[in-house]
Amino acid sequence: NAGVTQTPKFRVLKTGQSMTLLCAQDMNHEYMYWYRQDPGMGLRLIHYSVGEGTTAKGEVPDGYNVSRLKKQNFLLGLESAAPSQTSVYFCASVEGLGNSNQPQHFGDGTRLSIL
Amino acid sequence: AQSVTQLGSHVSVSEGALVLLRCNYSSSVPPYLFWYVQYPNQGLQLLLKYTTGATLVKGINGFEAEFKKSETSFHLTKPSAHMSDAAEYFCAVILSGGSYIPTFGRGTSLIVHP
Repeated sequence: NAGVTQTPKFRVLKTGQSMTLLCAQDMNHEYMYWYRQDPGMGLRLIHYSVGEGTTAKGEVPDGYNVSRLKKQNFLLGLESAAPSQTSVYFCASVEGLGNSNQPQHFGDGTRLSIL
Repeated sequence: AQSVTQLGSHVSVSEGALVLLRCNYSSSVPPYLFWYVQYPNQGLQLLLKYTTGATLVKGINGFEAEFKKSETSFHLTKPSAHMSDAAEYFCAVILSGGSYIPTFGRGTSLIVHP
């Protein structure tokens, strides 16, 4: 029972490079989310998806793109990495059917450093 | 709209002492409330949640929280802290009948001294 799996776990990039973070969930959840976590800032929502083929902007979407081509996968892309994007990135999912009192399931994070 | 305020970015207690982590919320409709715990180098895990019914909610690892509508609070407590409780704790609110987009507090780091 893997839950939510994020790859890679660590990555160091140079400014201007691009990369894609992968999130996979095996719970058949409808909703998926990408957050960034910075010291003292809590979790900030980057983008989210309410189902396969759909995406929406969160609180801090600039500099990021996402895709949800398959229900189980949610990809986060950085087209041209900047030092301000150094952070820990978390993916989460929720069943998303019926009542909104369901807790989110989180991955263990991707630690990204931009030099 | 909803918001969450966690008072105190750091709380320090001695092992065996009472743990109290504060969370206040604002919500235009009845909220659902959650506490999550984050251990170092891990993602967030659900501690407990309040939906409807009993206002005192018990969670894992001996934690509990009480929903107080009149005070718009959902404080997290544990009678006796253990070294293993040292972690980051997040309070979150979501609107009942609304979308699945929770609002998180900024987190409180619990430090437990021997």
